[in-house]
Amino acid sequence: SQQGEEDPQALSIQEGENATMNCSYKTSINNLQWYRQNSGRGLVHLILIRSNEREKHSGRLRVTLDTSKKSSSLLITASRAADTASYFCATDPDYNQGGKLIFGQGTELSVKP
Amino acid sequence: DTGVSQDPRHKITKRGQNVTFRCDPISEHNRLYWYRQTLGQGPEFLTYFQNEAQLEKSRLLSDRFSAERPKGSFSTLEIQRTEQGDSAMYLCASSGLRLSHNNEQFFGPGTRLTVL
Repeated sequence: SQQGEEDPQALSIQEGENATMNCSYKTSINNLQWYRQNSGRGLVHLILIRSNEREKHSGRLRVTLDTSKKSSSLLITASRAADTASYFCATDPDYNQGGKLIFGQGTELSVKP
Repeated sequence: DTGVSQDPRHKITKRGQNVTFRCDPISEHNRLYWYRQTLGQGPEFLTYFQNEAQLEKSRLLSDRFSAERPKGSFSTLEIQRTEQGDSAMYLCASSGLRLSHNNEQFFGPGTRLTVL
């Protein structure tokens, strides 16, 4: 079953605006990861944040993690039409030893030129 | 190209037929994962291997599903007596051994199965 819930399910913005997606999860984690999926394609890893980290940056991406609230957010700054895709958070549960990731249902982002 | 590859990319079959998918992971990765994704949903875990050992299977993996990784390299996922509910994208991923990899998984392009 899915552990994560993502909010919003769909987001439509204009090019140049920022996009924020939120993820909530249920169990304790080793880390939380964000992936992007273009329509009909495989997933591409974007960024990973460990359970002892609170914020991480990678290019135009900023991820925050609040383990007390079991939530994370992904911010994409200065969005581009090429950012149009579905974005998934995935948790690596702390009972794992390199096993499954548990994915949310995703946020579908549309960036209009 | 050294990414994860999957074959075939698309498969259309009739209900009741058997299908087999193949996944070739990144060569130095010892872990291999299978996920299933239906439209509008995130991937759901099916099973994973460390080398040739199948370490975990989801309850989603009914008796009609079997996965193998005989030499610890490529893997196959077979579905017997397919049902329309098996229609989905089947994703394969691999990851490395070292803890520094933090279980970052690299995904293949997927095999889209349509059961008529």
